[in-house]
Amino acid sequence: AQSVTQLDSQVPVFEEAPVELRCNYSSSVSVYLFWYVQYPNQGLQLLLKYLSGSTLVESINGFEAEFNKSQTSFHLRKPSVHISDTAEYFCAVKVYNQGGKLIFGQGTELSVKP
Amino acid sequence: EPEVTQTPSHQVTQMGQEVILRCVPISNHLYFYWYRQILGQKVEFLVSFYNNEISEKSEIFDDQFSVERPDGSNFTLKIRSTKLEDSAMYFCASVGGVEAFFGQGTRLTVV
Repeated sequence: AQSVTQLDSQVPVFEEAPVELRCNYSSSVSVYLFWYVQYPNQGLQLLLKYLSGSTLVESINGFEAEFNKSQTSFHLRKPSVHISDTAEYFCAVKVYNQGGKLIFGQGTELSVKP
Repeated sequence: EPEVTQTPSHQVTQMGQEVILRCVPISNHLYFYWYRQILGQKVEFLVSFYNNEISEKSEIFDDQFSVERPDGSNFTLKIRSTKLEDSAMYFCASVGGVEAFFGQGTRLTVV
């Protein structure tokens, strides 16, 4: 079975500061890795994904995540956050199986303060 | 850009009543899912659907739940006799390759 642990339930940070949201996973088989973002009162949007290849993946709005197989981690980072980044962030894994379900972490609430 | 649409956005129902949550997945996708998010908790998998049948379901998906794709476009989740603890946000998702595309969700409130 797979599991995902997001180590921080809440991360408050000031605008323009760097941030790291931590994600560790457990799986006996290979998985795809995802970060989803949920803005207040909205649905889930894919932020970025790791399928294969380069272990560093980037999103269009400045977030990046690095897949570390030895540490089974997929931490999300941004060097300088904006107020508009305030949201809930979910890490998720999916087994190498086209129809496989997503297993989500508990979520991290990122709160960016001016 | 194609998107998954869900209706209604909000549903209030009395305990014991039946509700049907509706989803229109992306048209060329083959895998469909329902997830649930109880307020303040993580997103949980309920059921996956492929080739007109359930391919996997979670422990949450008991006999009060059912899914169907009645007309080749809509994908519905029915809860036969709602309980207070069914109050949650319900998300539909569809997959064509690897990435799951989610709808905006239906907020179900059972009173």
